[in-house]
Amino acid sequence: KAGVTQTPRYLIKTRGQQVTLSCSPISGHRSVSWYQQTPGQGLQFLFEYFSETQRNKGNFPGRFSGRQFSNSRSEMNVSTLELGDSALYLCASSFPDSNEQFFGPGTRLTVL
Amino acid sequence: GEDVEQSLFLSVREGDSSVINCTYTDSSSTYLYWYKQEPGAGLQLLTYIFSNMDMKQDQRLTVLLNKKDKHLSLRIADTQTGDSAIYFCAERSGGYQKVTFGTGTKLQVIP
Repeated sequence: KAGVTQTPRYLIKTRGQQVTLSCSPISGHRSVSWYQQTPGQGLQFLFEYFSETQRNKGNFPGRFSGRQFSNSRSEMNVSTLELGDSALYLCASSFPDSNEQFFGPGTRLTVL
Repeated sequence: GEDVEQSLFLSVREGDSSVINCTYTDSSSTYLYWYKQEPGAGLQLLTYIFSNMDMKQDQRLTVLLNKKDKHLSLRIADTQTGDSAIYFCAERSGGYQKVTFGTGTKLQVIP
């Protein structure tokens, strides 16, 4: 069974640009969550999607948004990039309300 | 709000046991997790424990939960060099998938 896949794996952008990251969950998983990992703030929850609806949201500004498609694939978008958005963005998938989340390898975003 | 704390670093000799500790504040936590992250990789779920349990053992891993003190520990028996990684404690409350992670403990295994 294929794991969670994230594309691209690495990305370099400049301040003010926007970026879209993609996550394909494990087959059958309908819940997708996104996390930001930085050396200073650690791992922080961004949002969770289930059945194309955002179920839960962390404390991030509106520049961070996401969506989920009918095939459970998810994208997150960051607009007007700031230097502080440089991070590893991790996606996790699970069966809804499952005890276990499975993480992808992450997308490393660098903002210059 | 939720807060999860861990010590930053632990160094052990190969073959010894490692004990990584974690404290959390959310008394409504229902599940507590241990994840492993190797350099350049995502998170690997190692084990988890339901809040009404005191202990869970899974091969070389033993999780102990003291709910009264909100203290969680992970013991790795016979630690190997391949166990060198960052270990994250995490908690989840409620039915959604929002998980609060600790700061991570970097485990260094000395051959």
